[in-house]
Amino acid sequence: KAGVTQTPRYLIKTRGQQVTLSCSPISGHRSVSWYQQTPGQGLQFLFEYFSETQRNKGNFPGRFSGRQFSNSRSEMNVSTLELGDSALYLCASSLEGQDPPGYTFGSGTRLTVV
Amino acid sequence: SQKIEQNSEALNIQEGKTATLTCNYTNYSPAYLQWYRQDPGRGPVFLLLIRENEKEKRKERLKVTFDTTLKQSLFHITASQPADSATYLCALDPNAGKSTFGDGTTLTVKP
Repeated sequence: KAGVTQTPRYLIKTRGQQVTLSCSPISGHRSVSWYQQTPGQGLQFLFEYFSETQRNKGNFPGRFSGRQFSNSRSEMNVSTLELGDSALYLCASSLEGQDPPGYTFGSGTRLTVV
Repeated sequence: SQKIEQNSEALNIQEGKTATLTCNYTNYSPAYLQWYRQDPGRGPVFLLLIRENEKEKRKERLKVTFDTTLKQSLFHITASQPADSATYLCALDPNAGKSTFGDGTTLTVKP
């Protein structure tokens, strides 16, 4: 079955712009989590959506937002981009009640802010 | 605050040897701990999960131990191969959907 698909793979934006990233989870997975990965901070949790509702949220400013659609696809949006937002953005999907629990990650979107 | 530390940023070993990676945590009471492999420019790939009531878990050449008293997990790769070269991440998942990851250890296996 298809894995987690993230689009686009690469993105270059200018400071002050906004960006939208997309994530399609594995079919049947209703939980989608987003992470930011940078060399200095490692993998940082952004938020998790389940059945179109934000279930968990990390410690990121309000410029970072997300949503989930009825087909479980998720988008995250970053407004007023800053240079420090340059990172690999990863989404991961999981199956509720899966045993053992675990995530399947996408390949990520590499965002560069110039 | 909660914290995870993976002791080495980088580990270099010779092919055929056993690689041992360490993950320590503080201020956590995790139900389980996960290990992932990440290759450059790719997302992490789930390898193994060990629960708090399990001492050891094996999968092919991989072995994970979990000591909740020491608050430590060890990840072993036996008979290591150059193809095992990657960054390995440990993660604690006390709440569903909100894993906390270590910064990773980059393993290089030299032929």
